[in-house]
Amino acid sequence: DAGVIQSPRHEVTEMGQEVTLRCKPISGHDYLFWYRQTMMRGLELLIYFNNNVPIDDSGMPEDRFSAKMPNASFSTLKIQPSEPRDSAVYFCASRFRTYNEQFFGPGTRLTVL
Amino acid sequence: GESVGLHLPTLSVQEGDNSIINCAYSNSASDYFIWYKQESGKGPQFIIDIRSNMDKRQGQRVTVLLNKTVKHLSLQIAATQPGDSAVYFCAGYTGFQKLVFGTGTRLLVSP
Repeated sequence: DAGVIQSPRHEVTEMGQEVTLRCKPISGHDYLFWYRQTMMRGLELLIYFNNNVPIDDSGMPEDRFSAKMPNASFSTLKIQPSEPRDSAVYFCASRFRTYNEQFFGPGTRLTVL
Repeated sequence: GESVGLHLPTLSVQEGDNSIINCAYSNSASDYFIWYKQESGKGPQFIIDIRSNMDKRQGQRVTVLLNKTVKHLSLQIAATQPGDSAVYFCAGYTGFQKLVFGTGTRLLVSP
């Protein structure tokens, strides 16, 4: 397996633009997680899905953020409109069942100018 | 509240030394913990895990110790190498689904 795949790896956009981050989890994993990492706040859980259903989105900072998982092999995290404070590295991770290791993707480095 | 935190932000060691990275957890943290290593520009990578019914677990050059009495765990790296330079996170499950990460410790290994 290729591991968790994220795209794009780098994204530079201007304030107010829509940004869409993509993730392909490891085949067979039933949990998918979106994290954001910054120097100030560390690694924060934004939202997670179980069997494509959003379970907990309490970490989503505000209504400008949304996430979907239309099928078991694809998820998106969308920011609309983007703001400079959204600049961070966004990680997707997947896991099989509970109490197991989470596998992380390489991350998307987002810069909002 | 629910939290998993680290004692030291940066640890500097000489190549060949043993490294010890510490982590504290609160009452409401889970009984399953994972240590991750994150190299620059990469996502966190699994190192080793431990469950609360264990005090110690060993891997290749790494050992995790769990002290439930004082709610503390540590990661020991034997014969530290330059390739071990990275940020190390402890993480604990809250409930049974969410993994909460500590703030991280940067390990710097000098030759």
